[in-house]
Amino acid sequence: ETGVTQTPRHLVMGMTNKKSLKCEQHLGHNAMYWYKQSAKKPLELMFVYNFKEQTENNSVPSRFSPECPNSSHLFLHLHTLQPEDSALYLCASSQYITGTGIEQYFGPGTRLTVT
Amino acid sequence: RKEVEQDPGPFNVPEGATVAFNCTYSNSASQSFFWYRQDCRKEPKLLMSVYSSGNEDGRFTAQLNRASQYISLLIRDSKLSDSATYLCVVRPHGSGNTGKLIFGQGTTLQVKP
Repeated sequence: ETGVTQTPRHLVMGMTNKKSLKCEQHLGHNAMYWYKQSAKKPLELMFVYNFKEQTENNSVPSRFSPECPNSSHLFLHLHTLQPEDSALYLCASSQYITGTGIEQYFGPGTRLTVT
Repeated sequence: RKEVEQDPGPFNVPEGATVAFNCTYSNSASQSFFWYRQDCRKEPKLLMSVYSSGNEDGRFTAQLNRASQYISLLIRDSKLSDSATYLCVVRPHGSGNTGKLIFGQGTTLQVKP
């Protein structure tokens, strides 16, 4: 496997379900990100992890819970979601170096539908 | 005011045309700038970074005007395969150790035969 992978690619869940999204990067990067992309809206940053430590939580509701067990893996745990949470959830990684602009590489995303 | 603003388009152009996209950003101390490309129902992919002196990659030319807080992307000799949404991306000042990027809404390009 190369690049950034995400599973599942598609997920339909009810509002009372609990599910998890998984992301894995094979690029040797040390920073990982979760983004949300809703229709007709810009990508919204949700969480940032550098060296497994969470460095940004962009006012995300607690029904979204991230987990980063190591620099290669990132999870997004979902529970009691709302229909407006239906969106494409994208994971990204980068080689973060302080003070420089390092580009991010994205996984294919999980298309989530909350019913 | 949005942190990164783009004209959403769509831009409909014939093959072979030259097309330019513009982007403005609100944080004058922003540090780094990129153009990403996103195909329909796919993930964004880095097209090119944007440097202060301007830079070119084949048919693509990116320009940065810090004084006007303005970024542009020029595509020459458009191909059908250039049809996509082009995202203007800015790394804001003060993003510290977060690596945070701000994405514009994107400009949609449709190249017609």
